[in-house]
Amino acid sequence: QQPVQSPQAVILREGEDAVINCSSSKALYSVHWYRQKHGEAPVFLMILLKGGEQKGHDKISASFNEKKQQSSLYLTASQLSYSGTYFCGTEYNYGQNFVFGPGTRLSVLP
Amino acid sequence: DAGVTQSPTHLIKTRGQQVTLRCSPKSGHDTVSWYQQALGQGPQFIFQYYEEEERQRGNFPDRFSGHQFPNYSSELNVNALLLGDSALYLCASSQLNFDSPLHFGNGTRLTVT
Repeated sequence: QQPVQSPQAVILREGEDAVINCSSSKALYSVHWYRQKHGEAPVFLMILLKGGEQKGHDKISASFNEKKQQSSLYLTASQLSYSGTYFCGTEYNYGQNFVFGPGTRLSVLP
Repeated sequence: DAGVTQSPTHLIKTRGQQVTLRCSPKSGHDTVSWYQQALGQGPQFIFQYYEEEERQRGNFPDRFSGHQFPNYSSELNVNALLLGDSALYLCASSQLNFDSPLHFGNGTRLTVT
């Protein structure tokens, strides 16, 4: 079952912050976040594992609320390079295939 | 270190024809997954190969088949092409059992006319 992402699209000015949410109706083992720029392959950003272990980098962070089965991706002081479509990939059991959300299109304007 | 490579980059086929797409995984990766991405949508899981066997399969018809070779490279075959098969086909490699992220290739854009 496909996770739900919100918002569908967001427009920011450089330096502003954004939050993208990913919700599942089923219990999750992990959530992966990817960014895809137009005409390019999705690129891995972050993994959130059941149990609270978090990985990430730079000014992008994320949380995983096991009670709500929801993950949120936080983009702080956004840069032009952050523009793209953000997908969450949900894994319901360890080693199972990822189910991707429909994506959130982020546009950062100068 | 070469990442995931896919070939060809673009392909135009006619309804009813058959197509083969190829993928070489990132060095050190043993698992290959194939995804179909329609315009404006998220990638949809087709199947995953590990140790030359189909390990998992998504909700795709039997017209979609695949293969993994001893060097971990993989092929995706689609028979009896339909107009609805037009999409970007992404190959992603990973390491099984290591909470490994997916490393995607740039995809093959398939157009069925």
